[in-house]
Amino acid sequence: EVQLVESGGTLVQPGGSLRLSCVASGFSFRNFWMNWVRQAPGKGLEWVGKINEAGGDKYYVESVEGRFTISRDNAKNSLYLQMNSLTAEDTAVYYCARAANLPTVPMDFWGQGTLVSVSS
Amino acid sequence: DIQMTQSPSSLSASVGDRVTITCRASQTVSNYLNWYQQQPGKAPKLLIFAASTLQSGVPSRFSGRGSGTRFTLAISSLQPEDVATYYCQQSYSDRRTFGQGTKVDIK
Repeated sequence: EVQLVESGGTLVQPGGSLRLSCVASGFSFRNFWMNWVRQAPGKGLEWVGKINEAGGDKYYVESVEGRFTISRDNAKNSLYLQMNSLTAEDTAVYYCARAANLPTVPMDFWGQGTLVSVSS
Repeated sequence: DIQMTQSPSSLSASVGDRVTITCRASQTVSNYLNWYQQQPGKAPKLLIFAASTLQSGVPSRFSGRGSGTRFTLAISSLQPEDVATYYCQQSYSDRRTFGQGTKVDIK
């Protein structure tokens, strides 16, 4: 069974940093692109970024470019999101999602999410 | 970035009704269009990929159509368990984008 479990969400002050983790199981993690998607309270889904199988190719939404970094450790079946210079606008539930090896590469499995709150 | 616009933003329909949601892209996305369902308090779930291909396990009352810039998601006979917010998402561009969502509930 495919499982994605996020962790690391907490309350952090504006300007602070945080690293989220996502541990994968039930599939060959090293063979899949992975995504981060966030959802602010009461709002819609926003794609944050993605990383390729080996970790050398990454893309981000413009609003986090230069502040957030996605990485992965295939030996540990783990995906990470390093978030720096956090603002209130980064408050959201953060989901990791697998990019399926299907036409149009949809996100076929999602974790349950981890909540990041940015507030003083 | 490619902008995705859904309409309506919300709708209310009776059990058994046919429901249609529209998604428009600001430029062509070919058929690189996916639909997700997010039930209250849950993570999103993939419903349809490549504009019209049903993900495994998704009930056949869901269907998708379209290409280029205009797409639709239809529920042929609305069921109580379909109460959710539905999102379209383009995967044509490396920078993915979602529509703003359409909230569906039962009248």
